[in-house]
Amino acid sequence: TQLLEQSPQFLSIQEGENLTVYCNSSSVFSSLQWYRQEPGEGPVLLVTVVTGGEVKKLKRLTFQFGDARKDSSLHITAAQPGDTGLYLCAGRTYNNNDMRFGAGTRLTVKP
Amino acid sequence: NAGVMQNPRHLVRRRGQEARLRCSPMKGHSHVYWYRQLPEEGLKFMVYLQKENIIDESGMPKERFSAEFPKEGPSILRIQQVVRGDSAAYFCASSSTGGADQPQHFGDGTRLSIL
Repeated sequence: TQLLEQSPQFLSIQEGENLTVYCNSSSVFSSLQWYRQEPGEGPVLLVTVVTGGEVKKLKRLTFQFGDARKDSSLHITAAQPGDTGLYLCAGRTYNNNDMRFGAGTRLTVKP
Repeated sequence: NAGVMQNPRHLVRRRGQEARLRCSPMKGHSHVYWYRQLPEEGLKFMVYLQKENIIDESGMPKERFSAEFPKEGPSILRIQQVVRGDSAAYFCASSSTGGADQPQHFGDGTRLSIL
């Protein structure tokens, strides 16, 4: 079982629609990061959240860290084909040096 | 992903050979992490190193796998006597410190194929 569960696993929408993807766990994280990965490339960092309840905006992307620091969401407004990719959340717990990744949400935005 | 450089990008080995994967962290970064990714899966932590020290190797198989990050030069992930199951993408990430709020920046990976 994954430490971080991401949902949905796959999402296909039309350009202009809004969407939310989720990252859930029963563990508490000291920080949580969202990455986007294109085929054949490494993950690219989108945001780091460290405070429970924190909300960060990056243009059309809104990231929220749950109050209990166990979950996070990524909301995209007016999705564009360029948003297509694999979205990964990764969290670091208090007693681990490593980051644990979810399996990702594969987003396809059709023109 | 300018900054973290991995080479080779693609590596083909026959069963039983050795694979050496190299990672040069971003300038000024002294913390290196190695991850493995299978198709359609997230990244799985393998090992965390600082210069000349292995900090956490809890995700690395005990047999055949080793990692180093010497004082000079890149970090090396070495897989001896490779088997088909070692086929995967191997990613390296670096950070400036080991703090929980410090982001990890990734290279573009080495895709290892075992014939």
